[in-house]
Amino acid sequence: AQSVTQLGSHVSVSEGALVLLRCNYSSSVPPYLFWYVQYPNQGLQLLLKYTSAATLVKGINGFEAEFKKSETSFHLTKPSAHMSDAAEYFCAVSGGATGGGNKLTFGTGTQLKVEL
Amino acid sequence: GAVVSQHPSRVICKSGTSVKIECRSLDFQATTMFWYRQFPKQSLMLMATSNEGSKATYEQGVEKDKFLINHASLTLSTLTVTSAHPEDSSFYICSGGGGGTEAFFGQGTRLTVV
Repeated sequence: AQSVTQLGSHVSVSEGALVLLRCNYSSSVPPYLFWYVQYPNQGLQLLLKYTSAATLVKGINGFEAEFKKSETSFHLTKPSAHMSDAAEYFCAVSGGATGGGNKLTFGTGTQLKVEL
Repeated sequence: GAVVSQHPSRVICKSGTSVKIECRSLDFQATTMFWYRQFPKQSLMLMATSNEGSKATYEQGVEKDKFLINHASLTLSTLTVTSAHPEDSSFYICSGGGGGTEAFFGQGTRLTVV
């Protein structure tokens, strides 16, 4: 079984500031981890994924995340926030290579607000 | 990445009627697809796993007679909300994968039951 905890349902940053969205996971098997972004009334767009290769994963739009097994974390960062980054972000986990296919368990989401 | 097409994007229906939502994998074959439900300001909750050629697997608490899932081909899964009620109003999203490490999501369907 897997679960995901996203700390902070709302995060507000200034344009140009560092973005840090926190995600901790629990998994009984080696997990695959994902970050998705969702704009209002739209589906989910994959930002990046960890699938047991490099622990530092670079994604689209300047985002990256680091898998830390010892901390069971997969925090999402971006060095400099842009107004267009304002959206809802979801961390998700799957059962990885051991099964579960592409079935994902999502965190509760973090709404990112970017201010001028 | 692969493309999953979901239709309609928005639908308004009267209470008591049924609504069908389609989820198509356009450039890959999907033996398994997943249906999620998202309430406003909340996360996505898995409703069911759609299996091509066999019965869907429903998550605990999801009424299988209310949310009918059909996966008759490798590229099409449908979710039918039967006898819809206002509490069924939600955002429904499907996903599928080509057997790899990533799930591809449809655009979602905003269902409003009046």
